[in-house]
This record gives sequence, C-alpha cells and structure tokens, in this order.
Amino acid sequence: GNSVTQMEGPVTLSEEAFLTINCTYTATGYPSLFWYVQYPGEGLQLLLKATKADDKGSNKGFEATYRKETTSFHLEKGSVQVSDSAVYFCALENNNDMRFGAGTRLTVKP
Amino acid sequence: KAGVTQTPRYLIKTRGQQVTLSCSPISGHRSVSWYQQTPGQGLQFLFEYFSETQRNKGNFPGRFSGRQFSNSRSEMNVSTLELGDSALYLCASSPVVRMNTEAFFGQGTRLTVV
Repeated sequence: GNSVTQMEGPVTLSEEAFLTINCTYTATGYPSLFWYVQYPGEGLQLLLKATKADDKGSNKGFEATYRKETTSFHLEKGSVQVSDSAVYFCALENNNDMRFGAGTRLTVKP
Repeated sequence: KAGVTQTPRYLIKTRGQQVTLSCSPISGHRSVSWYQQTPGQGLQFLFEYFSETQRNKGNFPGRFSGRQFSNSRSEMNVSTLELGDSALYLCASSPVVRMNTEAFFGQGTRLTVV
C-alpha cells in the first residue's frame, strides 16, 4: 500500500541554519509528492510539490527533489527564519489515495 | 475563488453528546476528505467522499460518520463524544479526479470535549 514516513521532531534550529527534514515513501507506480506546512492555528497549506522522478519542487526558499531510486522527497532550506516555525507534513497522492506523514515540528530561534 | 470553509471554528461539547461539523469545498471540487489532528497521533485520515459516496475510510470507530450532499458540501458527525475526541478536525477538498493534484485544506474546527 501507500505510506509516508518522515523524520520525527521536534526540530529546533537557530536563525540562518540549514534545514533538512527527511521523508521516504512506499508506493506502487508513480505517486505525486508534496510538502505541506501548518502554521499555528491554521489548516495545512501546500508548500511545494513534484509529480515525477527527478522533479524539484521549490517555494519560499524551500526545495525538495523527487528521488525514485531512494523513494525519498527530503525538504531542505539553506537559511531558516523565525517565521518558518511550523509543522511540516510530507504527503503522497497515488491513484486517488492521499497519505500524509506524521508531521515534523520546526522551531526556529532568533 | 473562495477556499475551503469549515464551520464552526471552535466547539465545546460534553461527554456523551454528539456533534456535527460542516465543510464547504472549493467550487467545482467534488472530493472532500476529513482528518483528525491531535498532538499525540498526528494527522489521521477519517474518510473521503466523492459524488455523495464514501470512497475511502480510515480506521475510526462507527461513532464517526459523514455524508456529502449533491452540492459537494460535507458534514461529519461524531456521536457519544469521548474526551479523546478532542482534536482539530480538518477538511480538504480536491478536484473531480485527483491526479497529481494537491488537496486544499480548510482552517479546521477545534473540538473540545469536557
């Protein structure tokens, strides 16, 4: 079946530090992959997506590359800001089945 | 284009009561999914409706039920509330066929059971 495993949090970084949140998936065929972000008191918002192998999704300085050989979609940002503090969810969609990871809470300190 | 609207935003109920939550999807979207989010369990899938039919179902007891109307609006009902049902309930809508397309989330309904 389809599933997503992401790095457990919480993650605490200082401002301007490099961020990586690991995400791996299990799926048959060719799923689409997503990163969502949830700010305090809000629903989930799409951060970026990739729909085929080797695609790189990017938005607001965040990037993730769809790696089919390692079934991974790790989220990275070169220099985090306090405003990036949120919960990040990796997700996949495969044949109308959408699955989310457990979420990783990121706190960025000034 | 209006986003996904969930009502009410906040709700306080007593154990044993029942509750109904509402979700209006983005215009033109026919798939509506419901999720429960708690600090301990994270984001858990409840069920998905498409064209008034339940298409997928998560691993929740029968106290959790839902329905979808012909205008794609959806309601979720929880009967005989328990303290552990306190959570943020999120609704997400998607277009007719969710091929390579993300889900769009509402802001959620925060349910507190006392």
